[in-house]
Amino acid sequence: DTEVTQTPKHLVMGMTNKKSLKCEQHMGHRAMYWYKQKAKKPPELMFVYSYEKLSINESVPSRFSPECPNSSLLNLHLHALQPEDSALYLCASSPPGRPDTQYFGPGTRLTVL
Amino acid sequence: AQKITQTQPGMFVQEKEAVTLDCTYDTSDPSYGLFWYKQPSSGEMIFLIYQGSYDQQNATEGRYSLNFQKARKSANLVISASQLGDSAMYFCAMRGGGATNKLIFGTGTLLAVQP
Repeated sequence: DTEVTQTPKHLVMGMTNKKSLKCEQHMGHRAMYWYKQKAKKPPELMFVYSYEKLSINESVPSRFSPECPNSSLLNLHLHALQPEDSALYLCASSPPGRPDTQYFGPGTRLTVL
Repeated sequence: AQKITQTQPGMFVQEKEAVTLDCTYDTSDPSYGLFWYKQPSSGEMIFLIYQGSYDQQNATEGRYSLNFQKARKSANLVISASQLGDSAMYFCAMRGGGATNKLIFGTGTLLAVQP
């Protein structure tokens, strides 16, 4: 089983809203990732969590706030976003035995009005 | 610096034919991993195949094979017997150096399979 789930599938929010994206996996993976993908572009890494600790932050603006409450769950809290933050947000995880190989969720399509 | 290059923005292939998607890479790290992912219009990134830099044989997974030519720094994906469901964006990626699992992606190739 290589399933990573993400909710919601679609999200529309205003620039003053606060919302959260959720990512979950039950494969025992101990590394989890957030990516941002603009249309017709490759994914760009935002954050990496390893054993529930933030290990990489790719200079992401503070209006994006990640959280890893436990080994199965990864959240991305959104606040005061800009229209240019509209994108597909992908979550991924990788297993302890194969840290190179990342399994992605279906993504959340975010539109900021 | 590490870099992945995909020079084919778009490709067409007839159903049941084979197709090769090109990928070249650049790294000074002796240990690296190369990946191919498929992204249908629904958005999900689907892991297809992996090749380690020290692997002696080319990786294969069903209809997918990776033509790894280390001296030329190329890692082309070959899809045999194309199916309509293969129509998607395909990304080549490389694991970054050091202790991180950061993936560096190419710009992608959009494959269209025609009946």
